[in-house]
Amino acid sequence: GAVVSQHPSWVICKSGTSVKIECRSLDFQATTMFWYRQFPKQSLMLMATSNEGSKATYEQGVEKDKFLINHASLTLSTLTVTSAHPEDSSFYICSASTLGSPLHFGNGTRLTVT
Amino acid sequence: DAKTTQPPSMDCAEGRAANLPCNHSTISGNEYVYWYRQIHSQGPQYIIHGLKNNETNEMASLIITEDRKSSTLILPHATLRDTAVYYCIVRAGIGATNKLIFGTGTLLAVQP
Repeated sequence: GAVVSQHPSWVICKSGTSVKIECRSLDFQATTMFWYRQFPKQSLMLMATSNEGSKATYEQGVEKDKFLINHASLTLSTLTVTSAHPEDSSFYICSASTLGSPLHFGNGTRLTVT
Repeated sequence: DAKTTQPPSMDCAEGRAANLPCNHSTISGNEYVYWYRQIHSQGPQYIIHGLKNNETNEMASLIITEDRKSSTLILPHATLRDTAVYYCIVRAGIGATNKLIFGTGTLLAVQP
C-alpha cells in the first residue's frame, strides 16, 4: 500500500528560527500533497495543497509567507515554518495519494517552539 | 465538500461490535464516504470508503443507507487497540487532488 513518510517526527526550536519538515511518498509518485496542522484536542485543519512544479494553494487564514511549501519532486514536499513562535507549536501532518487510491497520511511532526 | 455529523464519543466493550454512525444529509452524487481513524499522536489511518454499496475489508464494514444520507462504520470485534478518534468524511471523487476536510470525529473508547 501507499506509504507516506514524514521527517522529523519531533523537533524543538527556539523562537525566531525556521524549521523544515519533509514529506515523502515512498512507493508512489504524488503530484499533490496536503499539509495539515492539529492543535491539542482539536481536529486536523487543512493548511495548504502542495502541487509539484507549481505554487502551493493555501487555505483561508494561513500565511503563505510564514509556511513555505516546496514540492520539488513527485515524491517530496517540504513545509518550512519561518520565524517560528510559540503559537506555531503544533502537530503537522502531511498526506498524499495517487489517482484512484485513498489519501494516506504521514505520522506527523510534533513542533515545539520555545 | 458536504459536512458530516458524528457523536462526540462512544464506548464499546472489548470483543463486541462497534457501530459508529455518521450523518451526511447534504452529500452530492459524486461524493464518496471515507472513514479514517487517528490514534493518539499519530497520523490518520485510512479504514474504508464507499459510494453507494456497502463495503467490507479486513478492518471494517461500511453500511451506507439507500438515500446515502447516513452511514455506519462497523468494527466487528473491537479490541483495546481500536480506541481512537474516528472521522467520517465526504469527498468529491477519488482523484488525487481532492482534499479531505476533517470534522470533529467520534472518540471511541474500547473498554476491557
